[in-house]
Amino acid sequence: ETGVTQTPRHLVMGMTNKKSLKCEQHLGHNAMYWYKQSAKKPLELMFVYNFKEQTENNSVPSRFSPECPNSSHLFLHLHTLQPEDSALYLCASSQVPVVGTEAFFGQGTRLTVV
Amino acid sequence: AQTVTQSQPEMSVQEAETVTLSCTYDTSESDYYLFWYKQPPSRQMILVIRQEAYKQQNATENRFSVNFQKAAKSFSLKISDSQLGDAAMYFCAYRSRYNTQGGSEKLVFGKGTKLTVNP
Repeated sequence: ETGVTQTPRHLVMGMTNKKSLKCEQHLGHNAMYWYKQSAKKPLELMFVYNFKEQTENNSVPSRFSPECPNSSHLFLHLHTLQPEDSALYLCASSQVPVVGTEAFFGQGTRLTVV
Repeated sequence: AQTVTQSQPEMSVQEAETVTLSCTYDTSESDYYLFWYKQPPSRQMILVIRQEAYKQQNATENRFSVNFQKAAKSFSLKISDSQLGDAAMYFCAYRSRYNTQGGSEKLVFGKGTKLTVNP
């Protein structure tokens, strides 16, 4: 098992569909993150969960809805997305508040909205 | 707010040669961390090297080293003896040492530099 696993690897969905992205970490970390990676743009932090509590919502539209049922699992529920939401969605985890530890990333879900 | 700038969208290097990737950042903080991440075609972001701002000594990890110039807010990555497996996107990232959100780790990334290694 890799440290951070994301499923599915690829997803194509219509604008009226509802889908979910899943992230699971096997590192014993207590913080998890969703990042959006679009072409030609820096990675954008979307959400942060610390001990299952959402501590950051970086002005993300409500059509993206995160869920963190426990410290090992993180979901991103998607509904009525727009074509501009097509991107690579990366999940990460880290141990906080230990200062200095890096974030470990999954391989991402390539999302295409048609 | 902090920003990270990578001015080289693409770089290329011959196998076994040395290449330097540039990164500058803007912050009003005095204590922070800087990172270089590598993203190969597999898409997984992998930490290459970490620098703590309060340490004057430049970090090194095998063939990877940084040139950290705090006053100039510059953090370049040098890859020595480049290998074909080094081909990837490289991202520079910044993190505050002290976060306001309960210690959570927010990384601010640059746009990345695509490195090609020619055989």
